[in-house]
Amino acid sequence: AQSVTQPDIHITVSEGASLELRCNYSYGATPYLFWYVQSPGQGLQLLLKYFSGDTLVQGIKGFEAEFKRSQSSFNLRKPSVHWSDAAEYFCAVGGMTGTASKLTFGTGTRLQVTL
Amino acid sequence: ETGVTQTPRHLVMGMTNKKSLKCEQHLGHNAMYWYKQSAKKPLELMFVYSLEERVENNSVPSRFSPECPNSSHLFLHLHTLQPEDSALYLCASSHPQGAKTSGANVLTFGAGSRLTVL
Repeated sequence: AQSVTQPDIHITVSEGASLELRCNYSYGATPYLFWYVQSPGQGLQLLLKYFSGDTLVQGIKGFEAEFKRSQSSFNLRKPSVHWSDAAEYFCAVGGMTGTASKLTFGTGTRLQVTL
Repeated sequence: ETGVTQTPRHLVMGMTNKKSLKCEQHLGHNAMYWYKQSAKKPLELMFVYSLEERVENNSVPSRFSPECPNSSHLFLHLHTLQPEDSALYLCASSHPQGAKTSGANVLTFGAGSRLTVL
């Protein structure tokens, strides 16, 4: 069965500092990987996705993630964090159910940004 | 209006009440999902509908009853809930594709319905 682990429940960084959020997955085949962000009181917004090809993927809001098959990881990075990046971040692996996709999520990492 | 819209945004109900959550999408998708989001737990997939047919039901208690009358609308009917059912219920939609690639579909989420059961 597929699973996702986000080892960091809560991370605090200063505005302007770099950020890396960790994600490890378990999946039997080539994984489809996603990062979503959730601001307070909102639903989940897609930041970026990895399906195949270049292992470094670019997303919205200046985020990027690198797929490392040997480490079963898909860590999210941003070189310089802005206060508006404070939110909860979810890593997910895509699978199938019948003719529809389904996502299996990690427990999330809450990012706090100090000024 | 575009995207995935959920109503109501907030709902408080007693354990003996019957209420429904509604989800509507204007994206032309024909797969729809209910997820439950509780504090400190991963998002839990509850139900999946593809082409208006239920394709997954993740051992959800019968006090939750989904309904998908067409590809644009999804309901979650609630009755005799328990306090532990208090959570954020998220609806999502996606394009279904062939079996080889459907794991790659992007899900678009609504803002959620915050349910409190007293």
